[in-house]
Amino acid sequence: AQSVTQLDSQVPVFEEAPVELRCNYSSSVSVYLFWYVQYPNQGLQLLLKYLSGSTLVKGINGFEAEFNKSQTSFHLRKPSVHISDTAEYFCAVSESRDDKIIFGKGTRLHILP
Amino acid sequence: DARVTQTPRHKVTEMGQEVTMRCQPILGHNTVFWYRQTMMQGLELLAYFRNRAPLDDSGMPKDRFSAEMPDATLATLKIQPSEPRDSAVYFCASGLGGQGRIQYFGAGTRLSVL
Repeated sequence: AQSVTQLDSQVPVFEEAPVELRCNYSSSVSVYLFWYVQYPNQGLQLLLKYLSGSTLVKGINGFEAEFNKSQTSFHLRKPSVHISDTAEYFCAVSESRDDKIIFGKGTRLHILP
Repeated sequence: DARVTQTPRHKVTEMGQEVTMRCQPILGHNTVFWYRQTMMQGLELLAYFRNRAPLDDSGMPKDRFSAEMPDATLATLKIQPSEPRDSAVYFCASGLGGQGRIQYFGAGTRLSVL
């Protein structure tokens, strides 16, 4: 069965510093991978997705992620964070044969002034 | 700007009462998902539909929860009777399935069972 592990529950980072949020997945078949963001008191919204093709995926708000099949990872990066990036970030996996998406536990990003 | 609409946004009820949450998916979307979010368990999939047919409700406590899609514009999640442990934020999401499979989330219903 598919699963997602987000290694950090919280990540503090100074404003304008780079950040990496880590995500590892487990699946026995080919997968699609996603990062979603949840701002306070809102639903989740898509940041970026990997379906196929280039392993480096660019998303909204300057975020990007790299799919690494050998390490079963899909880490999210941003070169310079802004206070408005304060939110919870969810990594998610979907097996190619299924509509379901399995979400990780989330990583709370704290931006320090 | 198309969006998933959930009602009510907040619900406070007493233990034992029936709770009904509603979701209007984005027009044209053929998949609908219900999730529950808590601090302890994170985001859990309760049930999902494709073309209004229930495909998986294995994440849902069957004795008290039920999910239906009476038509393509409405999905409902009912809890009867409600219990304090049901307190959570319930999200509905819709999508096109297939390779696209991006899910679009509503703003959620925050349920408090006293």
